[in-house]
Amino acid sequence: SAVISQKPSRDICQRGTSLTIQCQVDSQVTMMFWYRQQPGQSLTLIATANQGSEATYESGFVIDKFPISRPNLTFSTLTVSNMSPEDSSIYLCSVTHLAREGLNEQFFGPGTRLTVL
Amino acid sequence: GQQVMQIPQYQHVQEGEDFTTYCNSSTTLSNIQWYKQRPGGHPVFLIQLVKSGEVKKQKRLTFQFGEAKKNSSLHITATQTTDVGTYFCAGRGSGTYKYIFGTGTRLKVLA
Repeated sequence: SAVISQKPSRDICQRGTSLTIQCQVDSQVTMMFWYRQQPGQSLTLIATANQGSEATYESGFVIDKFPISRPNLTFSTLTVSNMSPEDSSIYLCSVTHLAREGLNEQFFGPGTRLTVL
Repeated sequence: GQQVMQIPQYQHVQEGEDFTTYCNSSTTLSNIQWYKQRPGGHPVFLIQLVKSGEVKKQKRLTFQFGEAKKNSSLHITATQTTDVGTYFCAGRGSGTYKYIFGTGTRLKVLA
């Protein structure tokens, strides 16, 4: 298993500003992902955070808007840049181990609830 | 791109009744996972299915993976109030490490 913490747990921000969300895992993991979940909706994958290289973004998400860092195997950050009210959402970090063949359950952090005014 | 739909979107049941949610992918899947998200919580892994036609049980929960590996179902027998939450399937295509989450089914159990 993996225990994940996220900071901050929630924030209220003004439009045009940026917020950096931190994700810390208690063990080294292979994969780290960032998701967005709007209230009552499903999870949408933003990007895969790659250790030591640029993140891999999904369609509709770009690095300028959502820069991601992953300096080591236990830590990643997601920045939401130049925020607008449409960015109001819950942002979730998830991790998975690929050590065991075939089983790659994802463990999710508690999420960061972002409100943009 | 790959899409994963779930039906129904919402389900209200009386405690003790059964519940089923269905998951359908637009493409053939390598495997499928199921997650439960309690209100205000984060998704928690329930199970992973890999083989065509696979059936797995966890106490009152029964999971099935379709023969064509494009659909799956979760059945809960005799629901309890602790089953309340949103159930998501998440499918992984061949040659990729990422999962696409289904639209989710929100279950409410009335005591």
